[in-house]
Amino acid sequence: AQSVAQPEDQVNVAEGNPLTVKCTYSVSGNPYLFWYVQYPNRGLQFLLKYITGDNLVKGSYGFEAEFNKSQTSFHLKKPSALVSDSALYFCAVRDIPNRDDKIIFGKGTRLHILP
Amino acid sequence: DGGITQSPKYLFRKEGQNVTLSCEQNLNHDAMYWYRQDPGQGLRLIYYSQIVNDFQKGDIAEGYSVSREKKESFPLTVTSAQKNPTAFYLCASSILGQGGEKLFFGSGTQLSVL
Repeated sequence: AQSVAQPEDQVNVAEGNPLTVKCTYSVSGNPYLFWYVQYPNRGLQFLLKYITGDNLVKGSYGFEAEFNKSQTSFHLKKPSALVSDSALYFCAVRDIPNRDDKIIFGKGTRLHILP
Repeated sequence: DGGITQSPKYLFRKEGQNVTLSCEQNLNHDAMYWYRQDPGQGLRLIYYSQIVNDFQKGDIAEGYSVSREKKESFPLTVTSAQKNPTAFYLCASSILGQGGEKLFFGSGTQLSVL
């Protein structure tokens, strides 16, 4: 069964510094990987995804993520954090891409950007 | 505007009562999903539907029921059998493809028990 882990409940970063939010996954086949962001009392918004091809994926709001197959990781990164990046971030994975497979979400990492 | 709409934003349930959460989308998406969000537990899948008049149980379907009579609508009923219903409920939709399609989420319904 597929699973996804976000090892940090919370990450604190000073504004202007680079940020990383970690994600590791476990699948039986090839993964489709996603990052979503949630602002308070709102639904989730899509940030980026990895399907195939280049391991470095660029997404919304200056975020990017690097797919590392050997380490089964898909860490979210941003070169320079903004206070407005403070939110709850979810990593998600889908195993073998067919219609019957579900998207599984991690528990989320709360990102605090300190002014 | 195209999107996915959940209502109500806040809902209160009395003991032994069934309540229904509404989810409507005008994105012409085939697939719709219900997730439950609890603090520190992330999102857990309750039910999902890939086509009208068909739906599948997710990981925590007990105490919940759904229907998919129209493509645009996927209401979730929280029955009295769900003993711990207090949570934030999120509805989502997507197109059907090879699996890499992103989910579009509604703004959620916060359900609390009186």
